[in-house]
Amino acid sequence: NAGVMQNPRHLVRRRGQEARLRCSPMKGHSHVYWYRQLPEEGLKFMVYLQKENIIDESGMPKERFSAEFPKEGPSILRIQQVVRGDSAAYFCASSPSGTPDGYTFGSGTRLTVV
Amino acid sequence: GENVEQHPSTLSVQEGDSAVIKCTYSDSASNYFPWYKQELGKRPQLIIDIRSNVGEKKDQRIAVTLNKTAKHFSLHITETQPEDSAVYFCAAENSGAGSYQLTFGKGTKLSVIP
Repeated sequence: NAGVMQNPRHLVRRRGQEARLRCSPMKGHSHVYWYRQLPEEGLKFMVYLQKENIIDESGMPKERFSAEFPKEGPSILRIQQVVRGDSAAYFCASSPSGTPDGYTFGSGTRLTVV
Repeated sequence: GENVEQHPSTLSVQEGDSAVIKCTYSDSASNYFPWYKQELGKRPQLIIDIRSNVGEKKDQRIAVTLNKTAKHFSLHITETQPEDSAVYFCAAENSGAGSYQLTFGKGTKLSVIP
């Protein structure tokens, strides 16, 4: 079991470009959470998805950000028209049950906007 | 929503001494409190957790205490070793919009001096 896989590990984008972050959950896990970590800060919840459904996107900015978890393939967090303030580490966690006591975090994607 | 405060933000101890990190939370409905260790550039890793029906939990050199009335919980590391040096995050589970999210504290950077 390879654990939660995130790619790319590092992503550099110019202002105005799009960033696509991928998260493949652990085998058997159908619940995915995305968190953002700004430098020197704790993680902040963004969105919770199950296969083909967004369950809770209350932590995700209304504009420019979107997430999906298709029936086949990884979960994708998309940031359109990136700005410098989007520079952060983005972590996903997967869980078999949807509750945090089953969380396993991925290694994160470090997005740098130049 | 939930708010988690964590203190201190930095902590230096001599090898072999104990380290204590404290957190307070605001939502009395929260009932799951994990602690994560994050080494530089790596994923957060769960080191211990506690549920609200328990006042204390211990795992070798690590222990967590919870005071539900006062809404605070603490991490205790005894006989610290240099490899304990990392950033530690407390978190509280809160449920909302059909999901179980974690709200994180801002972290404590622990340095163990050999």
